[in-house]
Amino acid sequence: GAVVSQHPSRVICKSGTSVKIECRSLDFQATTMFWYRQFPKQSLMLMATSNEGSKATYEQGVEKDKFLINHASLTLSTLTVTSAHPEDSSFYICSARDQGGDSHYTDTQYFGPGTRLTVL
Amino acid sequence: GDSVTQMEGPVTLSEEAFLTINCTYTATGYPSLFWYVQYPGEGLQLLLKATKADDKGSNKGFEATYRKETTSFHLEKGSVQVSDSAVYFCALSDYGGSQGNLIFGKGTKLSVKP
Repeated sequence: GAVVSQHPSRVICKSGTSVKIECRSLDFQATTMFWYRQFPKQSLMLMATSNEGSKATYEQGVEKDKFLINHASLTLSTLTVTSAHPEDSSFYICSARDQGGDSHYTDTQYFGPGTRLTVL
Repeated sequence: GDSVTQMEGPVTLSEEAFLTINCTYTATGYPSLFWYVQYPGEGLQLLLKATKADDKGSNKGFEATYRKETTSFHLEKGSVQVSDSAVYFCALSDYGGSQGNLIFGKGTKLSVKP
């Protein structure tokens, strides 16, 4: 199946610094990628939808100036956590939408392995 | 709005036991339905999917049938293994929308004991 990678897999940073997380679709092109946040023992919370060549769409309550998203190519989206604080520590997961052809039946999201962010 | 409800865990089974994880949904359109699995410390992996009523998704011994009349997509496996221990998420996506966002259930943790 389709493969999505994330880098780094784990990052520890000091409070006040910025961290960039990359999400790549390795064997397909993705005009749409999604960024999720997962708290311990909880489900995934959609943070934003990243569209290639246009501005991201943020979910209600997500600060767009704090979580900067750039989707500059059909295989790469980045999430930058600016001025990180301990409360930003979490597991961040991206997904990429493989729309295949025009058929509704091939439209599937594939997930990256996640990035564990710890802010000290 | 659209939503997914799945049985709360944790579910603890012995190896070779039968597994059912219930999932029901609410949607205004004609959603596609998915089961994702998350192993400890990892991201989500697509386990199976179904895109229309009466479709059966299957993979690795797991099955789920899209039941429109009961708005359900229950996950089943006839004989679980220790390696099946993970968190299972039911999800839907109404691709009639422009983004194809996934809406997840809260997840069900499965522990299989030898």
